Amino acid sequence: DSGVTQTPKHLITATGQRVTLRCSPRSGDLSVYWYQQSLDQGLQFLIQYYNGEERAKGNILERFSAQQFPDLHSELNLSSLELGDSALYFCASSVEGLETQYFGPGTRLLVL
Amino acid sequence: QKEVEQDPGPLSVPEGAIVSLNCTYSNSAFQYFMWYRQYSRKGPELLMYTYSSGNKEDGRFTAQVDKSSKYISLFIRDSQPSDSATYLCAMSADRGSTLGRLYFGRGTQLTVWP
Repeated sequence: DSGVTQTPKHLITATGQRVTLRCSPRSGDLSVYWYQQSLDQGLQFLIQYYNGEERAKGNILERFSAQQFPDLHSELNLSSLELGDSALYFCASSVEGLETQYFGPGTRLLVL
Repeated sequence: QKEVEQDPGPLSVPEGAIVSLNCTYSNSAFQYFMWYRQYSRKGPELLMYTYSSGNKEDGRFTAQVDKSSKYISLFIRDSQPSDSATYLCAMSADRGSTLGRLYFGRGTQLTVWP
């Protein structure tokens, strides 16, 4: 158990819908990262937050957004969902940003 | 060209074999190198972490980094069926806008049979 929690574990929804994925980092970690893992693209970095502020953006679509709250948990919002958004979404956390990242169990999203 | 290249395998070895997993990369700014193990439908689990060049050993696992060749390796000695998983290499830079972001290889699927 990495100490990073993610909810829900599974999500099934329809095209055009909006969903919110939630992540709680390890105790003491200030950085939260979101990654998408699909069969054809592998693990892709989406976005990083550090102590409530956006720090880095990767291959995140404009339909996706994220935020980190004062209690350091983070939410990833996915809207106008398409079939191609079906993937595993992982959250990871670290203390400052240079240290190793610890991954949560992931949320499996299926868009029908 | 992807920034991190990793042979996806699959790799199948008998129990007790020495396994060698490798990644190459193109970005000379990468300074932090990691290996993660991912069991099916689970989150990646950190196995090894090294900074810059050199070797690091932890039990049956040895990680090597050769920055001059932009090549990293993970060796697993006395492999066990419980080592059957996908192994992902990952790396990050220590400067610039990519600070802290991990770049992953596609993963190598390993099966160790009894």
